[in-house]
Amino acid sequence: AQTVTQSQPEMSVQEAETVTLSCTYDTSENNYYLFWYKQPPSRQMILVIRQEAYKQQNATENRFSVNFQKAAKSFSLKISDSQLGDTAMYFCAFMKHVLGYGQNFVFGPGTRLSVLP
Amino acid sequence: NAGVMQNPRHLVRRRGQEARLRCSPMKGHSHVYWYRQLPEEGLKFMVYLQKENIIDESGMPKERFSAEFPKEGPSILRIQQVVRGDSAAYFCASSRDRWYDEQFFGPGTRLTVL
Repeated sequence: AQTVTQSQPEMSVQEAETVTLSCTYDTSENNYYLFWYKQPPSRQMILVIRQEAYKQQNATENRFSVNFQKAAKSFSLKISDSQLGDTAMYFCAFMKHVLGYGQNFVFGPGTRLSVLP
Repeated sequence: NAGVMQNPRHLVRRRGQEARLRCSPMKGHSHVYWYRQLPEEGLKFMVYLQKENIIDESGMPKERFSAEFPKEGPSILRIQQVVRGDSAAYFCASSRDRWYDEQFFGPGTRLTVL
């Protein structure tokens, strides 16, 4: 079974600085997808960034980028120029690709990020 | 284009009653996913449906829980004979065509069992 671990339950960062959230996962699969989702106090789940395992290039979305290390099964999220609106729970998620249908959606326990003014 | 709609937003039930949670996916989306989030925990996958079909229910408890996504109308997550441990936030998400398209989440239904 796949597992996703986020070893940092809580983190804080000063506004405008950079912070990295860690995520590791365990799988024997070779074809899968990884995601970072953000859940602000409103509790709405928002996709931050997505990475296909077969792509070597790290995904980037504006101030958000990932460091995907497939061999190490590591998928960290870097937030640059942190903003107060980045305060939220961040969940790392794994999705296995099977015969055109996704199965085994697994979320990590989350990291609570606080951006301080 | 309205987002994923869930209702009710809050549902209170007494032990032994039934809970029905509704999810209307975004227009044009044919894939629906249900997740459960216990307090201070991450989301736990429950079930993945495509119109009229259950694709993956590996996260669904074997008893008391069922889900459907009929040809017409919203997806329904049904919990029979609720117990206190069912108290949680239940999120629905939908995606367009391919399962790995972005999942858009609804605002969730918070179920409280007294």
